[in-house]
Amino acid sequence: GAVVSQHPSWVICKSGTSVKIECRSLDFQATTMFWYRQFPKQSLMLMATSNEGSKATYEQGVEKDKFLINHASLTLSTLTVTSAHPEDSSFYICSATQPNRLAKNIQYFGAGTRLSVL
Amino acid sequence: AQRVTQPEKLLSVFKGAPVELKCNYSYSGSPELFWYVQYSRQRLQLLLRHISRESIKGFTADLNKGETSFHLKKPFAQEEDSAMYYCALKIQGAQKLVFGQGTRLTINP
Repeated sequence: GAVVSQHPSWVICKSGTSVKIECRSLDFQATTMFWYRQFPKQSLMLMATSNEGSKATYEQGVEKDKFLINHASLTLSTLTVTSAHPEDSSFYICSATQPNRLAKNIQYFGAGTRLSVL
Repeated sequence: AQRVTQPEKLLSVFKGAPVELKCNYSYSGSPELFWYVQYSRQRLQLLLRHISRESIKGFTADLNKGETSFHLKKPFAQEEDSAMYYCALKIQGAQKLVFGQGTRLTINP
């Protein structure tokens, strides 16, 4: 149980275009979803925390107008990279937590999306 | 600010040898600590957390508040333990985790 699906797994786009990445909790309702960015050979950097029905909380230094997060339902959050540029090329990972008391605070991760901006 | 430090980027041991992956944290409140693991070509997944006080795949980790450490240990390493290991900290009142830089563990045959 507690499976998180992330789509697409790899996307290539032209500079200036926008890209949407989806994160779905398949078998549970995700109270909170998180979006991370991971550079090669580096750790996960939290970009934002997203709660269903409310605005995302962005970490310091993350441009909210650049990285639009929508958490419209308890099973879906989306990250849209607007006007993507080559420096936005990275590995983006989402995770989700569920309200189950026994699994409290455990994050379940998606497989990640590799974004390449040409 | 809260911080998690994993001093070893790379750790290589022989099969059957003991393993210890170090993790230190910086937080003055009551922490909740986790170890996550990422095997080759797989997603990040929870290995264990300190509040569970359990052994998973032979690994244990004890929270030492005096030394602000949460080192991961296994007495006899196996080749399938080769992976990337991340220590993570959750602080009170926050939903997010703070991750360490990760340690790539390689078990040599």
